[in-house]
Amino acid sequence: QVQLVQSGAEVKKPGASVKVSCKASGYTFTSYDINWVRQATGQGLEWMGWMNPNSGNTGYAQKFQGRVTMTRNTSISTAYMELSSLRSEDTAVYYCARFRRAVDAFDIWGQGTMVTVSS
Amino acid sequence: EIVLTQSPATLSLSPGERATLSCRASQSVSSYLAWYQQKPGQAPRLLIYDASNRATGIPARFSGSGSGTDFTLTISSLEPEDFAVYYCQQRSNWPLWTFGQGTKVEIK
Repeated sequence: QVQLVQSGAEVKKPGASVKVSCKASGYTFTSYDINWVRQATGQGLEWMGWMNPNSGNTGYAQKFQGRVTMTRNTSISTAYMELSSLRSEDTAVYYCARFRRAVDAFDIWGQGTMVTVSS
Repeated sequence: EIVLTQSPATLSLSPGERATLSCRASQSVSSYLAWYQQKPGQAPRLLIYDASNRATGIPARFSGSGSGTDFTLTISSLEPEDFAVYYCQQRSNWPLWTFGQGTKVEIK
């Protein structure tokens, strides 16, 4: 079935970087944009950016520009989100989500990856 | 940036009752509005796209309406599994996406 499977939980120190993976299966990886959304504990959803897996083109929310990098490896149908210069406020669950143009929305989501930033 | 404001923050209702959730945009988003449901410990799930279209597998008790700046998600008769947090999302300024802050539907 169509699914996105993310990498496991991470614990990082302030100032470090984290790289989260998102493996797609059940569909053609290069045909759908991947977006990243994060959610701090008890808070709402915050969009971080998107990537076109075919071209590698990306677009980032202004808040994260300069700190986030979205990449992909098409040979293994996997997208990556790397966030640098981590601070405690980056502690959150990070989701990847597939954008389906036919519905103008995110129709498939990964299970989420908990990233904890703590000294 | 378009801001989405959801109301109320919390809705306390009993199973079988009707739920009406509101999402207001700071400027027109045409019909480019989606609704998601999120249960504790789970990823969001797409319910409604383009303001009024149910996503695949979504029960008919869920309906969406509105255009421009004012949108509504209605759950006609709450089932126990419908108690969750609901978010609206806009893509009018594509590729920039924003979400509302969420409405929690809780059991009264």
